Amino acid sequence: AQKVTQAQTEISVVEKEDVTLDCVYETRDTTYYLFWYKQPPSGELVFLIRRNSFDEQNEISGRYSWNFQKSTSSFNFTITASQVVDSAVYFCALITGTASKLTFGTGTRLQVTL
Amino acid sequence: DAGITQSPRYKITETGRQVTLMCHQTWSHSYMFWYRQDLGHGLRLIYYSAAADITDKGEVPDGYVVSRSKTENFPLTLESATRSQTSVYFCASSEQGWGYTFGSGTRLTVV
Repeated sequence: AQKVTQAQTEISVVEKEDVTLDCVYETRDTTYYLFWYKQPPSGELVFLIRRNSFDEQNEISGRYSWNFQKSTSSFNFTITASQVVDSAVYFCALITGTASKLTFGTGTRLQVTL
Repeated sequence: DAGITQSPRYKITETGRQVTLMCHQTWSHSYMFWYRQDLGHGLRLIYYSAAADITDKGEVPDGYVVSRSKTENFPLTLESATRSQTSVYFCASSEQGWGYTFGSGTRLTVV
């Protein structure tokens, strides 16, 4: 069975601070995909990134970066120079093997204040 | 419009009533899913479907029924609504391994 743990329930930062959201996953499969989704206050789920288990390169997209480390089963998400618009709930998720069921973590609520 | 549409966006119903949440996708994705979102639990899978006429239970299927007679539709029915089913429900579709596209959600309140 697979599991995703987001130990940080809520994080509050002041604008322009950097913030890292932690994600730890568990799976016995060697082939899997990891995701991050953003859920802003409006409620929709917005896809941010998909990473497969064979690609450990870090990814950077503007102020967002992701650090995938198979050795620690982690897929952490960093926002550089946070902005108020980054305030949202962020979910890490996992699909394993040939299955298509997405398993979510419980989410991390990020509050960015001025 | 292309995409995945859920209806209604908001629903209030009484305990014991049957209610159906609708989900329609225009991509012809093979897979469709229903999740519920509750504080402290994240999103939990209720039911999913790999193709028309193929459905399977997820993590929290009790009290729910699904059907998929057409690829594009995947309705979720609460046969006898209970207060514990008050939640936000998300429908999603995907092709295998490629991640999901979610609908906008249905906020259901059972009183």
